[in-house]
Amino acid sequence: GAVVSQHPSRVICKSGTSVKIECRSLDFQATTMFWYRQFPKQSLMLMATSNEGSKATYEQGVEKDKFLINHASLTLSTLTVTSAHPEDSSFYICSARTSGGRNTGELFFGEGSRLTVL
Amino acid sequence: AQSVAQPEDQVNVAEGNPLTVKCTYSVSGNPYLFWYVQYPNRGLQFLLKYITGDNLVKGSYGFEAEFNKSQTSFHLKKPSALVSDSALYFCAVRDEEWGSARQLTFGSGTQLTVLP
Repeated sequence: GAVVSQHPSRVICKSGTSVKIECRSLDFQATTMFWYRQFPKQSLMLMATSNEGSKATYEQGVEKDKFLINHASLTLSTLTVTSAHPEDSSFYICSARTSGGRNTGELFFGEGSRLTVL
Repeated sequence: AQSVAQPEDQVNVAEGNPLTVKCTYSVSGNPYLFWYVQYPNRGLQFLLKYITGDNLVKGSYGFEAEFNKSQTSFHLKKPSALVSDSALYFCAVRDEEWGSARQLTFGSGTQLTVLP
């Protein structure tokens, strides 16, 4: 299957700083990537849909000024948590969908990034 | 609208016994159904999917799932469980009618524990 790389896998930062998480599709082009947040022992909460070359589409209740998403190329999307606070501590996961052909909706996931804000 | 339900938060099974993780769905049109597995502090790994064709779908690591349209279910099964199968399992659905732009809807997850 297709490979999605997410970096960093773990990051610890001080309150008030910004953190950038990268999501790369390694062997395919992804016009659409998704960013999720997952709390312990809970399901994935979709935060936003990242579209190459255009603005991200945020889900209701997600602050777009706090969670900046950039999808500058067909293989890279970034999530920047700006002015992070302890309540932003979470597991963030990206996923990507292959482009072209008959799209059946199968997603390929990154390994996730554990953010801890002190 | 599309939705998916995993009625069991936790499933325990003895090693070597068959396992079933339940999933039911609701869509307006034809469903695309998926199972993913998540190990601690890892992303989700794709197990199998149903798009069309045979109702019994075989996937990775010996898992299979049966699509039942009348019961709107897509239960995950394995004939003989392994301790290494212990993980969090997610069922997901997408409505074919919504086209490729629609994202998947995930269930709440079921924690599977296989006891040695």
